[in-house]
Amino acid sequence: GQQVMQIPQYQHVQEGEDFTTYCNSSTTLSNIQWYKQRPGGHPVFLIQLVKSGEVKKQKRLTFQFGEAKKNSSLHITATQTTDVGTYFCAGSSNDYKLSFGAGTTVTVRA
Amino acid sequence: DAGVIQSPRHEVTEMGQEVTLRCKPISGHDYLFWYRQTMMRGLELLIYFNNNVPIDDSGMPEDRFSAKMPNASFSTLKIQPSEPRDSAVYFCASSSDLSTGTTFSYEQYFGPGTRLTVT
Repeated sequence: GQQVMQIPQYQHVQEGEDFTTYCNSSTTLSNIQWYKQRPGGHPVFLIQLVKSGEVKKQKRLTFQFGEAKKNSSLHITATQTTDVGTYFCAGSSNDYKLSFGAGTTVTVRA
Repeated sequence: DAGVIQSPRHEVTEMGQEVTLRCKPISGHDYLFWYRQTMMRGLELLIYFNNNVPIDDSGMPEDRFSAKMPNASFSTLKIQPSEPRDSAVYFCASSSDLSTGTTFSYEQYFGPGTRLTVT
């Protein structure tokens, strides 16, 4: 079945620095979604990417979908303490089942 | 809208007991999903419903687990008998199909989760 791999598992970032988390699928995806889960909270939808090579921005967050629709990335610039949490990518292949990556847990050093 | 509602928020039970988790999806959403989250296995889809009908239950771990959706505003996930390895956070999520002719699109709204501990 479809598998979504996500790296790194942990990201320790100095406040103000940038970082990127990567997501790779074993199969071609119809869309990829990104979610954020704060400590003790529940996953919250951030964005969905559908088109090959698509790039979307939300303030300091930049999301990209690969040309082959098998990989994606999330880049955060000028990290803030509010960015703490676990970021999940989740892929779908034209159905309603999402396969979640293991997540990247981000901690920020002030 | 109050969002997805789950109850109870915390459940502690002894091995062998029956556990029932409850979910109320967002009004108007026609898809409902049950997930389990553990440190070891991450976020796993257990089952999902469309218009109250179970569509895919391939993620349900074994016969001890069952899920129902008797109407559009209520779903249950039952574990009978429970075992310590069932300890996890169980999330319910709902969504509405936003797809257009060429774009498959939806986003899932998660509830706060039920933290289950089986001793």
